[in-house]
Amino acid sequence: GNSVTQMEGPVTLSEEAFLTINCTYTATGYPSLFWYVQYPGEGLQLLLKATKADDKGSNKGFEATYRKETTSFHLEKGSVQVSDSAVYFCALSDSWGKLQFGAGTQVVVTP
Amino acid sequence: DGGITQSPKYLFRKEGQNVTLSCEQNLNHDAMYWYRQDPGQGLRLIYYSQIVNDFQKGDIAEGYSVSREKKESFPLTVTSAQKNPTAFYLCASSIPPSVKDTEAFFGQGTRLTVV
Repeated sequence: GNSVTQMEGPVTLSEEAFLTINCTYTATGYPSLFWYVQYPGEGLQLLLKATKADDKGSNKGFEATYRKETTSFHLEKGSVQVSDSAVYFCALSDSWGKLQFGAGTQVVVTP
Repeated sequence: DGGITQSPKYLFRKEGQNVTLSCEQNLNHDAMYWYRQDPGQGLRLIYYSQIVNDFQKGDIAEGYSVSREKKESFPLTVTSAQKNPTAFYLCASSIPPSVKDTEAFFGQGTRLTVV
């Protein structure tokens, strides 16, 4: 079956540091890939997505590239802010639109 | 504004009781989903519905039940058969599930605690 593996947290960074969260997947066919973000006590919000190999999703300074050869979709941001503190989920969508999530990575950015 | 509304935000249940979590959407989405979130385990799919009057079990359906009588509504009942119901429950919806790159929209969640 489909699965998503992402790096464990928490990841603690200073403001303006570079952030990378690794995500790899196992899937049949050609899934779409997503990053969602969850702020404390809230639901999930879509951060970015990519629908085919070599696509790059980007939003709010975050980027991720769909790498079919390495089955990866790593999230990056060049300069984090305190407001980026949240839990980040990597996910894939099967042909029926159902999302399979990774375990989530908590990011803590300190001033 | 369009969106998904979950209620209540916090819910307390005594052991042995059934409770129902509400999920309403005004996005005109066909598909709706219920996920359970536990610390360190990500989100696990409980039930999903792709169309009115039809729903399917997800990965952890035991001890839960749902109905989909209206397009806008997808309530989840946590029954007394669910052995460990304390968790954060998230409802989501999306446009027709045949579009695999569709975005899912999430509600704000309901935190259920068994007391």
